[in-house]
Amino acid sequence: DARVTQTPRHKVTEMGQEVTMRCQPILGHNTVFWYRQTMMQGLELLAYFRNRAPLDDSGMPKDRFSAEMPDATLATLKIQPSEPRDSAVYFCASGPTRGETQYFGPGTRLLVL
Amino acid sequence: DAKTTQPPSMDCAEGRAANLPCNHSTISGNEYVYWYRQIHSQGPQYIIHGLKNNETNEMASLIITEDRKSSTLILPHATLRDTAVYYCIVRVATGGGATNKLIFGTGTLLAVQP
Repeated sequence: DARVTQTPRHKVTEMGQEVTMRCQPILGHNTVFWYRQTMMQGLELLAYFRNRAPLDDSGMPKDRFSAEMPDATLATLKIQPSEPRDSAVYFCASGPTRGETQYFGPGTRLLVL
Repeated sequence: DAKTTQPPSMDCAEGRAANLPCNHSTISGNEYVYWYRQIHSQGPQYIIHGLKNNETNEMASLIITEDRKSSTLILPHATLRDTAVYYCIVRVATGGGATNKLIFGTGTLLAVQP
């Protein structure tokens, strides 16, 4: 049963620290998405990759957030420096190129103190 | 992408059919209707999608009105594990760039009661 995996599942850090979240998309999927979920804003799309190239990162604060795909099996989302307002659940999702469905991982729960 | 309107919450008795409505009056001819759900503390899960014909799979049925301005997701025999937030999303389903985005609204919290 293929699944999207995310690490770490939980992260508590102090303001100003760097946070790196990792995602392993489903093998064969070449689109990867990063979402953020908070009580106030709901689910928001941060960035979107196809074939490892960023297609849309308009939802991501550029000054502190960065998203990359070093290879087809790994996507990373970094926050540097982190701030308390970054506290949220970060979801990664993957899908096939022309697929209508996205498959979500379990999320990384981030708390910035 | 067209905006959708869903009731904030609904209740359903266990074992009964759950019918979740969604209005999408500004939907375009090439936009599909998608349903996802999010069980507490989990990532969203794809349920079903359709363009204009009714669709059924192992999880649910999707009924789209003839004018395509609204749809209903039907869970035929709701169980306690179906308690979740259900999101109705409309978007163009092609392979091109930004059209693969999912824009989540606030969804409907379905509470299945024992």
